[in-house]
Amino acid sequence: QKEVEQDPGPLSVPEGAIVSLNCTYSNSAFQYFMWYRQYSRKGPELLMYTYSSGNKEDGRFTAQVDKSSKYISLFIRDSQPSDSATYLCAMETGANNLFFGTGTRLTVIP
Amino acid sequence: EAGVTQFPSHSVIEKGQTVTLRCDPISGHDNLYWYRRVMGKEIKFLLHFVKESKQDESGMPNNRFLAERTGGTYSTLKVQPAELEDSGVYFCASSQEGNEQFFGPGTRLTVL
Repeated sequence: QKEVEQDPGPLSVPEGAIVSLNCTYSNSAFQYFMWYRQYSRKGPELLMYTYSSGNKEDGRFTAQVDKSSKYISLFIRDSQPSDSATYLCAMETGANNLFFGTGTRLTVIP
Repeated sequence: EAGVTQFPSHSVIEKGQTVTLRCDPISGHDNLYWYRRVMGKEIKFLLHFVKESKQDESGMPNNRFLAERTGGTYSTLKVQPAELEDSGVYFCASSQEGNEQFFGPGTRLTVL
């Protein structure tokens, strides 16, 4: 069993839609939760970083962590064509090495 | 401020050859990480340097892989001899203590 599970998609939505991306995990030692965005031929870029259970909002992006269910989500409101990318969840126990999901490829259609 | 840079961007070699990948971290970042993404799989941790010391090399797949960071600046990752299953994208990341890891664009390695 993988430590981090993420639906690879692909996911295609019309511009302006709300996007929901999710990951589940099995290791209860994970304490830090991140969402990265990766454009084609580029490296992952940090979007959101959360520590505790609950919601964290940054502009059109909301990260949600439910440690009891071992489930994290990223919501994108008013999605734009420029949001088209691969979104990766990542987790860390505090030892600095990141555990990634496989990534979900998102396309926002104008 | 320059980001993390990696060289080369793409390398094609034959099985049994040697390849050396280079990573230049963001200036002042003591932490340097190597990750690898094999086709269809998730990005996986290889190792972590703090300055010139290996803090964690638990992700290194086998002794064909050798990472160095002489002087605590740039790092190299050598694969010798390369095997077909070594093909993938190798990412380098750097960070200041306890902070965000900034990733480079990756080196795409193809072993034929």
